Amino acid sequence: DADVTQTPRNRITKTGKRIMLECSQTKGHDRMYWYRQDPGLGLRLIYYSFDVKDINKGEISDGYSVSRQAQAKFSLSLESAIPNQTALYFCATSDFDILITDTQYFGPGTRLTVL
Amino acid sequence: QKEVEQNSGPLSVPEGAIASLNCTYSDRGSQSFFWYRQYSGKSPELIMFIYSNGDKEDGRFTAQLNKASQYVSLLIRDSQPSDSATYLCAVYNQGGKLIFGQGTELSVKP
Repeated sequence: DADVTQTPRNRITKTGKRIMLECSQTKGHDRMYWYRQDPGLGLRLIYYSFDVKDINKGEISDGYSVSRQAQAKFSLSLESAIPNQTALYFCATSDFDILITDTQYFGPGTRLTVL
Repeated sequence: QKEVEQNSGPLSVPEGAIASLNCTYSDRGSQSFFWYRQYSGKSPELIMFIYSNGDKEDGRFTAQLNKASQYVSLLIRDSQPSDSATYLCAVYNQGGKLIFGQGTELSVKP
């Protein structure tokens, strides 16, 4: 079984709808992240969480919210989806190591299309 | 200036050749550097990391780091068609964030 799973894997929705993307991990890592990837723009950080009680905004958090329900679960919500949120979304986890810092491991991704 | 920059490519090399992928970064205090491989439509997969100046080898892959020049590279020896992918450079900066470059597309021709 995959260490980091994301559901759904593909989603088509309409403008204005609320949508939630879910991420679960069995790696036992404390840190979890949500990224979006757009062609030519690379990976951009939306939100991150270093433990259950810690939530932080990334560089592009507007229009998104997150919930860390447990160490293993981190959800991303789009409160009112808009077409420019069409992208590939990745969840990642890491376990901080003082020597090599933040090695991140990615889930399989969710392809979201907002019509 | 972007914090992490890579040539977007595509970089095309013949099978069996050495592919050289380059990355520059702007935060001089950056400590750790990562290379990820991403096949089309798939998630990034960690290839290797480096945090000391010099070379680090793992099989056909060699990462090279030059902190004075703020430059990190990835060499792929004996390139295979299965190496065709986008390669992402990521830098862990002083602010505690992992910043990704936009990726270089590599095409290995049989």
